[in-house]
Amino acid sequence: DTEVTQTPKHLVMGMTNKKSLKCEQHMGHRAMYWYKQKAKKPPELMFVYSYEKLSINESVPSRFSPECPNSSLLNLHLHALQPEDSALYLCASSKRLASSYNEQFFGPGTRLTVL
Amino acid sequence: AQRVTQPEKLLSVFKGAPVELKCNYSYSGSPELFWYVQYSRQRLQLLLRHISRESIKGFTADLNKGETSFHLKKPFAQEEDSAMYYCALSGETSGSRLTFGEGTQLTVNP
Repeated sequence: DTEVTQTPKHLVMGMTNKKSLKCEQHMGHRAMYWYKQKAKKPPELMFVYSYEKLSINESVPSRFSPECPNSSLLNLHLHALQPEDSALYLCASSKRLASSYNEQFFGPGTRLTVL
Repeated sequence: AQRVTQPEKLLSVFKGAPVELKCNYSYSGSPELFWYVQYSRQRLQLLLRHISRESIKGFTADLNKGETSFHLKKPFAQEEDSAMYYCALSGETSGSRLTFGEGTQLTVNP
């Protein structure tokens, strides 16, 4: 399996809901990433995990809570989101923390709409 | 601070014509430069990285440290090259952060 998968593909939630996004890879990669992408804009890094430990948090609001339960899985827990959080959420993975030798592989994304 | 600039949001060429997508960067140190491509309804994928100096799908890109540029070129554009192209930068002082440019939407007309 050489892909990063993400579920669900689409998610609509209210501002009081709690939901989770899921990302999975079986390539043996030990670095995993969450990005947020608004329409016609580049991806913005949110979180980086390396060997299941949080390595980078780009000052993301606490209503987004990442979790890496094992080396293949990455979750993003959502609570009390705002309409401006509506975006495409991308997961990526690489063998190790990214460098020229460690290509980042991206998932197809979860399209999130907050009402 | 590191920054990537792609001056053209939209670029339109005819099939068979040469194409150049511009990318300039700002970084104090040795940068690592990449080109990512996103075809319609497909996931973001790596096209080129400067360290490998390879040609992928006919595209090449040369890192010019003097001009701080990493332009993407193809001598004869094909319709299937139509996509969004992002230039991205990383480096030893940025950890694992990839900084993306705003992207250039390339359209190759028949």
